Amino acid sequence: IQMTQSPSSLSASVGDRVTITCRASQSINTYLNWYQQKPGRAPNLLIYAASNLQSGVPSRFSGSGSGTDFTLTISSLQPEDFATYYCQESYTTPVTFGQGTKVEVK
Amino acid sequence: EVQLVESGGGLVQPGGSLRLSCVASGFTLSSYWMCWVRQAPGKGLEWVANIKQDGSDKYFVDSVKGRFTISRDNAKSSLYLQMNSLRVEDTAVYYCARVGLAAGTDKYYMDVWGKGTTVTVSS
Repeated sequence: IQMTQSPSSLSASVGDRVTITCRASQSINTYLNWYQQKPGRAPNLLIYAASNLQSGVPSRFSGSGSGTDFTLTISSLQPEDFATYYCQESYTTPVTFGQGTKVEVK
Repeated sequence: EVQLVESGGGLVQPGGSLRLSCVASGFTLSSYWMCWVRQAPGKGLEWVANIKQDGSDKYFVDSVKGRFTISRDNAKSSLYLQMNSLRVEDTAVYYCARVGLAAGTDKYYMDVWGKGTTVTVSS
């Protein structure tokens, strides 16, 4: 399964609403997770099973979608949210990640 | 505190071997599938392998099949990745991660990650 994220990068300001899209090459139901990664750090799980917020993750993060099209939304971008975001499907083995979306300061 | 700590990375020549270790604390390793994920310099994430709670099932990405093996010692709260016949393209940070499961489903995710250990394959 191929996972394609868009855009590959985006520039945004603190307080902006940010939306990242992930598309699967075949239907994966809601077997879709989102991770945040900051430079030099390990990834951190944000959303699992497409729309479930991981414990401890701020509520400004949300996920939606099913089938082939998924969205990660940050409702009001905070300074600590500038990072790279990855989607990942768990519908098959091997699991695959999207190529990442880098959220940069505008 | 739930934690994973990797070790064993380093510089190795092409064709060489390394054994990575990952020690778990703050949770019972034997209750979880575990996996290894790698990230080449400046690149994205790539799942490498995973292993069932009792070690009876193992899966690998095609690029490492026949060269890497994954194992665990639940009594020592440890996960391992034996890497043989290493290639330049295996150069990466290797993360061990715990595999969590959404309640009542078979939808899984990586919910706890180590800080990673760096493997460099170069002559």
